[in-house]
Amino acid sequence: DVKVTQSSRYLVKRTGEKVFLECVQDMDHENMFWYRQDPGLGLRLIYFSYDVKMKEKGDIPEGYSVSREKKERFSLILESASTNQTSMYLCASSTFLGSPLHFGNGTRLTVT
Amino acid sequence: AQKITQTQPGMFVQEKEAVTLDCTYDTSDPSYGLFWYKQPSSGEMIFLIYQGSYDQQNATEGRYSLNFQKARKSANLVISASQLGDSAMYFCAMREGVVDYGQNFVFGPGTRLSVLP
Repeated sequence: DVKVTQSSRYLVKRTGEKVFLECVQDMDHENMFWYRQDPGLGLRLIYFSYDVKMKEKGDIPEGYSVSREKKERFSLILESASTNQTSMYLCASSTFLGSPLHFGNGTRLTVT
Repeated sequence: AQKITQTQPGMFVQEKEAVTLDCTYDTSDPSYGLFWYKQPSSGEMIFLIYQGSYDQQNATEGRYSLNFQKARKSANLVISASQLGDSAMYFCAMREGVVDYGQNFVFGPGTRLSVLP
């Protein structure tokens, strides 16, 4: 079974802090994704990566950056956290040829 | 324009009965895939079932089946013999094309299913 692991289930940070959300997958998938999920807005793609050191902006990249130094790890970085970044963050992975997205358990981030 | 429409924001079903969750999609790409995900209150997204646009038969996975009507562009999820643990949000999703390049994977707004004892 594919396993996608997000480092934190719940996170509380202060405005202005730099925040790292980590995601690791164990199935050698080429693609990795970061989504945020908000009530009434559904899932929105922040960034995705199709290879090591490669990244592409999704629909809402502002205020975020990503890092993929190793194939199995994809990090989402909030350079200076703001209250409007309070959300559920979901990491996912897939193979290049369009397998289902496999998701981690999610990180519920609160910025105060 | 919405690529995935789920017209039922919420649904109730009695335990042990079958339920159908609606999904319609919009694409001009002849190659696409349709997916259903379950999201319990704990938050994780669980992949349930997949249907490819060229698949001749409807997909089935245990108690889940996908009623694929290509001409109508609908991909309804049927859950047979509902259980209390089926209470969750259900998302229909589509990948346009064969290769996954991130932004071609779109989700519907979801349907909240509540199973009544």
